[in-house]
Amino acid sequence: KNQVEQSPQSLIILEGKNCTLQCNYTVSPFSNLRWYKQDTGRGPVSLTIMTFSENTKSNGRYTATLDADTKQSSLHITASQLSDSASYICVVISEGGSYIPTFGRGTSLIVHP
Amino acid sequence: AAGVIQSPRHLIKEKRETATLKCYPIPRHDTVYWYQQGPGQDPQFLISFYEKMQSDKGSIPDRFSAQQFSDYHSELNMSSLELGDSALYFCASSLGFNQFFGPGTRLTVL
Repeated sequence: KNQVEQSPQSLIILEGKNCTLQCNYTVSPFSNLRWYKQDTGRGPVSLTIMTFSENTKSNGRYTATLDADTKQSSLHITASQLSDSASYICVVISEGGSYIPTFGRGTSLIVHP
Repeated sequence: AAGVIQSPRHLIKEKRETATLKCYPIPRHDTVYWYQQGPGQDPQFLISFYEKMQSDKGSIPDRFSAQQFSDYHSELNMSSLELGDSALYFCASSLGFNQFFGPGTRLTVL
């Protein structure tokens, strides 16, 4: 069964600090992995898309890593800002005709001043 | 534990027909999201509701409408169906940040 597990479930940090969110998956066959930022009640915003051959990809203060061998990904946020408070969702897309996404439940990040 | 329920799981319609998809969120969740995923495409955000009011709107066609009812379930109504509407439609619910996704409804338009 395809699964995406995210940790921690929630995280509280102080403004300016760094943090790392984890995503472990058992999706097969693998096509790509995506990280989204989503505010409550709003649509998701794509942060990064990583394919099998990519190990690291950055988007401003966000850096995602992918280890396809261990089926793990991380999202590192540097110099956090209050506006980073949101849910961060990991979505893994499987290949093989149907192109089905498997959604993680997200990590709730709260940045305090 | 209860999960998000979507019905029907599969639906076949012809062009120009109407379809209604239903989503039953996890009990006590106050926010519902709808997503559309076409063949080989990324999931696209359609619309969301918080406490029965529309919260945000994404790439939802004018032919589609949605609402959240007093019992917090939501329905996505799709009229004048086109071949391009064939897709997986996901619903998610949340109480706060973390979302729980339903299994999806696969709509096929012939």
